[in-house]
Amino acid sequence: KNQVEQSPQSLIILEGKNCTLQCNYTVSPFSNLRWYKQDTGRGPVSLTIMTFSENTKSNGRYTATLDADTKQSSLHITASQLSDSASYICVVSAGGYGGSQGNLIFGKGTKLSVKP
Amino acid sequence: DAGITQSPRHKVTETGTPVTLRCHQTENHRYMYWYRQDPGHGLRLIHYSYGVKDTDKGEVSDGYSVSRSKTEDFLLTLESATSSQTSVYFCAIRTGMGSGSYEQYFGPGTRLTVT
Repeated sequence: KNQVEQSPQSLIILEGKNCTLQCNYTVSPFSNLRWYKQDTGRGPVSLTIMTFSENTKSNGRYTATLDADTKQSSLHITASQLSDSASYICVVSAGGYGGSQGNLIFGKGTKLSVKP
Repeated sequence: DAGITQSPRHKVTETGTPVTLRCHQTENHRYMYWYRQDPGHGLRLIHYSYGVKDTDKGEVSDGYSVSRSKTEDFLLTLESATSSQTSVYFCAIRTGMGSGSYEQYFGPGTRLTVT
């Protein structure tokens, strides 16, 4: 069964600190992996999209890594800010076009709280 | 936000009543989607559309129907709302045509409460 598991479920850090969120997946065939940020009361917003050939991808203070062999990804946030408080969702796209929704499998998200 | 709006943004309705949620986009994207988001679950696909009058079911389509008579509008209807359909509903569009790393943009969501 295609699944995406994220850890931890929630995390509290102090402003200015770094943190790393984890994503493990069992999706086959694999097409790409995405990280989304979802602020409270808003829709998810894409941070990165990585294909199997990409090991690392950065978007400002956000750096995603992908190990396609172990089927693991991480999202590292550097020098956290209060505005980083949000849920971070890992999404894996199963391969195969089929003119459909691309078979996106969503994780449940990690809720990050950044405290002053 | 890729020009996506949802209406209403909040709605409270009673069990058994029909409800229609609207998703509107301004950029003529072919693919549109309806998801629901519930505590303890990832986003789950309800229905999607790949063109005018072309729709298909997603993972949790029971109790929902959709219609797309114009490129810019994708409607989600709960024929007879139940308490289990209390949720936050997100519309999304997809940019690009390939099977690879297309982008998906989400609307602001509609919070529906069925009492």
